[in-house]
Amino acid sequence: QKEVEQNSGPLSVPEGAIASLNCTYSDRVSQSFFWYRQYSGKSPELIMSIYSNGDKEDGRFTAQLNKASQYVSLLIRDSQPSDSATYLCAVNRDNFNKFYFGSGTKLNVKP
Amino acid sequence: DAGVIQSPRHEVTEMGQEVTLRCKPISGHNSLFWYRQTMMRGLELLIYFNNNVPIDDSGMPEDRFSAKMPNASFSTLKIQPSEPRDSAVYFCASSDRDRGFEQFFGPGTRLTVL
Repeated sequence: QKEVEQNSGPLSVPEGAIASLNCTYSDRVSQSFFWYRQYSGKSPELIMSIYSNGDKEDGRFTAQLNKASQYVSLLIRDSQPSDSATYLCAVNRDNFNKFYFGSGTKLNVKP
Repeated sequence: DAGVIQSPRHEVTEMGQEVTLRCKPISGHNSLFWYRQTMMRGLELLIYFNNNVPIDDSGMPEDRFSAKMPNASFSTLKIQPSEPRDSAVYFCASSDRDRGFEQFFGPGTRLTVL
């Protein structure tokens, strides 16, 4: 079983819709959770971090964490074509900063 | 503020040659990470350092790979000898573990081994 699992997609949504990206992780002691956005040919860019159960909102982005069910999700409201990218979920479970990355979900936002 | 700096941005070399990739982390960050990304294997952690000390090198594929961090502002990843299967994008990332675990990535080095 992989440490972090994501649906590879592509996930296609129309412009203006809500895009929902999901991630599950295997280790219950995981502590910190991150979402990165990666445009084709570019490096991963941190967009959200979440450390405790519940929702965390930042602009059009909302991260949701449910430790009991071991999943973390990212909602993108009012999706724009510029949101088209691969979204990587990362999980940290120790005090040494080691991240476990999912394989990423490719999001296509259609005009 | 300057982000993570990597050089070179692109490297094309022939099989058997030595390749050295360089990274300057964000000033004040105390953790540094080397990743490799390919279409087939995704983003893989090769090695990471805390306070210039290697903590986990279990991701280094084989003895041809080595990494050093002689000081807080510089790290190298060396491949000797290089092979075509080493072709990938290599990313360096840094974080300040005293202020959270968020990692910030450099622009990457695209390595092609012919």
